[in-house]
Amino acid sequence: EVQLVQSGAEVKKPGESLKISCKGSGYIFTNYWIGWVRQMPGKGLEWMGVIYPGDSDTRYSPSFQGQVIISADKSITTAYLQWSSLTASDTAMYYCARLGGIEASDPSGNWGQGTLVTVSS
Amino acid sequence: DIQMTQSPSSLSASVGDRVTITCRASQDISYYLSWYQQRPGKAPKLLIYDATSLETGAPSRFSGSGSGTDFTFTISSLQPEDTATYYCQQYDNLPPSFGQGTKLEIK
Repeated sequence: EVQLVQSGAEVKKPGESLKISCKGSGYIFTNYWIGWVRQMPGKGLEWMGVIYPGDSDTRYSPSFQGQVIISADKSITTAYLQWSSLTASDTAMYYCARLGGIEASDPSGNWGQGTLVTVSS
Repeated sequence: DIQMTQSPSSLSASVGDRVTITCRASQDISYYLSWYQQRPGKAPKLLIYDATSLETGAPSRFSGSGSGTDFTFTISSLQPEDTATYYCQQYDNLPPSFGQGTKLEIK
């Protein structure tokens, strides 16, 4: 069974750094893209970017390029989303998702449970 | 970026009703469209991909149609557990983009 298990909720102050994780299991981790999706409170879904753990090929939405870093450690089948300096506007639920096909844009049939990030002074 | 516009933004219907949601792309996306269901407090769930293909395990009352720029998602007989927000997503071009969502409530 494919599973994506995300790290727990975080409460941070503006300016702090953060790295959240998404551990994949039940499939060959290096063979599928993993993406990140943001959902701000009461709002819709926003595609942030994806990584192919097999060769670390990474694609970002222009809206998030330079704002976050997506990475992966295939030795522990884990993908990451990180910020160097958080702001209040980063407060959101963040989902990781495994893409179903070979393209970086393919739909996602498997999702993590979400990580709530709260940034407040 | 391709813009996706869903309508309506919300609707209320009764158990057993046929419900239809539409999604329009700002440019031709062929059949590269998916539909997701997001129940309150839960992660999204893929229901339809390639505009018309039912995801494994999704109930057969869900269906999709369309190609090019105009797409439709249909629930043939609404069930109480279908209370959720539904999103379309294009994946013809990077970045994939979602519609703004349709919140479906049961009367």
